[in-house]
Formats: sequence, structure tokens, C-alpha cells
Amino acid sequence: SQTIHQWPATLVQPVGSPLSLECTVEGTSNPNLYWYRQAAGRGLQLLFYSVGIGQISSEVPQNLSASRPQDRQFILSSKKLLLSDSGFYLCAWSVRGRGNYGYTFGSGTRLTVV
Amino acid sequence: GENVEQHPSTLSVQEGDSAVIKCTYSDSASNYFPWYKQELGKRPQLIIDIRSNVGEKKDQRIAVTLNKTAKHFSLHITETQPEDSAVYFCASYSQGGSEKLVFGKGMKLTVNP
Repeated sequence: SQTIHQWPATLVQPVGSPLSLECTVEGTSNPNLYWYRQAAGRGLQLLFYSVGIGQISSEVPQNLSASRPQDRQFILSSKKLLLSDSGFYLCAWSVRGRGNYGYTFGSGTRLTVV
Repeated sequence: GENVEQHPSTLSVQEGDSAVIKCTYSDSASNYFPWYKQELGKRPQLIIDIRSNVGEKKDQRIAVTLNKTAKHFSLHITETQPEDSAVYFCASYSQGGSEKLVFGKGMKLTVNP
């Protein structure tokens, strides 16, 4: 069966520090991968999505970036965190070309920038 | 691009009452409509979905209806229980478009015992 792993679960980082969040999927090949951010009490904001290795689409311009170095690995990064980067970050995957089977979300990373 | 509107943004009901969440979408090519439930501090989880060739789907106490002509779909929860308290997101997917779901902004449901 397919599983999605996301880590770390919680993170407290100072303003201006770098960020790296990792997401991996097991049990499937060629998945579509997504990064979402959720501010406290708010909706799901799509940050990036990828339909293949090295293929990244950015939805919202900001100081975050994403990379997909391997088929089942998706990384969210920042060189310098801002206070506004705080939130709940969720990785998700779907079957490529068949997104109508919905997403499976990872357990999320709660990031607090102080 | 596709836009999904969800309302109300909050709903409070008494245990045993029914709850209805409504969503509208803009892209007539949308053909898949999932609903996600997110409990506090946890990940969103798929609870039910409906495809464009179906008008209604039920799974125990939850049901979803789709009106393609009016471009709206709704989630119905009957005999609500305190454990139904959560944020519910609707979403739509357009076949042939970019491979991503477009989510509504969510509705916080509170079921009072």
C-alpha cells in the first residue's frame, strides 16, 4: 500500500534561518506531489506542485522554493525564513494523470518562526 | 482558472441535527468533487467523493449531491455526533486541466452535545 512520510512534525526556527522540509512517498511510482500551507484557522494554500522529477510549478510567489530530486521525494526550502512563513505545511500526493482519485496528505509539519 | 466557493464558513449544530455544507465551482469541465475532513491539528482526510456522472452518493451518515447544471455540490451529514466536529473542505478537479485539486476555504463544524 502507498504511504506518505513527512518530517519533522514540528519545527521552531528563528527569523532569517534556512528551512528544509522533506516528503517521501512509498508504494507508488510517478506520483504528482504537492506542498500546501495552512495558516492558523485558515484554508489550504497550494504552494508548489510537481508532475515529475525536476518539474516544479509555483502557485504563490514568496521566499519558498521546492525541489524534486527523486521521483518520490519532494523538498520545500527557504534560504531565510520570515515570521509570515509560520503555519502548518502539508505534503500530498496523487496518481499522475488521474488526479480525480483525490489526494492523500502527509501528517504535516507545524512550523513556528520566532 | 477554477474557483471553488464554500459556505457557510462556520456552522454550529446540536447533536443529532443535520448539517449541510454547500460549494459552487466555476469550471464546467470539472468532473470530480472530493470532500475532506480535517480534525484539529491533523491532516485532511478524504471522507467521500462524487464524479460528474453521478448525482448523489451516500455512505452511512454522509451524502454528497451534485448539480452540474447549477455547478454546485453539497455535503449532508445526518444525525451529527460530537466527533463530526472538524473543518470540512470541498474541492473540484478538472480533467484535462492542470493536475491539481482546487479547494474551498473550509467550513468549521461544531456539534454541541
